[in-house]
Amino acid sequence: NAGVMQNPRHLVRRRGQEARLRCSPMKGHSHVYWYRQLPEEGLKFMVYLQKENIIDESGMPKERFSAEFPKEGPSILRIQQVVRGDSAAYFCASSQAGRASYEQYFGPGTRLTVT
Amino acid sequence: DQQVKQNSPSLSVQEGRISILNCDYTNSMFDYFLWYKKYPAEGPTFLISISSIKDKNEDGRFTVFLNKSAKHLSLHIVPSQPGDSAVYFCAASVDRGSTLGRLYFGRGTQLTVWP
Repeated sequence: NAGVMQNPRHLVRRRGQEARLRCSPMKGHSHVYWYRQLPEEGLKFMVYLQKENIIDESGMPKERFSAEFPKEGPSILRIQQVVRGDSAAYFCASSQAGRASYEQYFGPGTRLTVT
Repeated sequence: DQQVKQNSPSLSVQEGRISILNCDYTNSMFDYFLWYKKYPAEGPTFLISISSIKDKNEDGRFTVFLNKSAKHLSLHIVPSQPGDSAVYFCAASVDRGSTLGRLYFGRGTQLTVWP
């Protein structure tokens, strides 16, 4: 049973370009969370999605960031017009249900570098 | 606003001795607490959790203690092994009455176990 998959593992973008990060949850999981880890900090919640629905996007910046989890295919976190401050590790986690007591399994992360 | 705090960025322990990692939280709504372990270039891996209805949970070498009145929890690892060297993140969430599941993380403690 494959774990949570994220790609690419490393992504380099110039300022102003778009970054697209993909996450395939574990088989049987329909709940996806995105977290961001800035250097020297802990993980910070960004958005929680179920298939075709954004449930909680309270941690996501209002501008330039968007997320989706379509009926078919991976969840995608999109960052438009990237800036240097977007450089971070972005982790996706999946779960069987939207409760903390259901374990969230994390992917290996995508390390975004904005030059 | 850091609702989960790990005030020790690093801890160094000799192999075979006890490692004690500490965590404090400020939000009295939190009722579920987790510890994650993270190796470089990997995603966090779930270690152990505790509900606020308990004050102790044990799993092999790992024990988590919760002091609700002090809003403090700790992770004990005994005996410590070199393979335990990693960054340990404390996380908290509102579980009962919530279907959101978002986790609030501390900044992590780098544990180094030396032979």
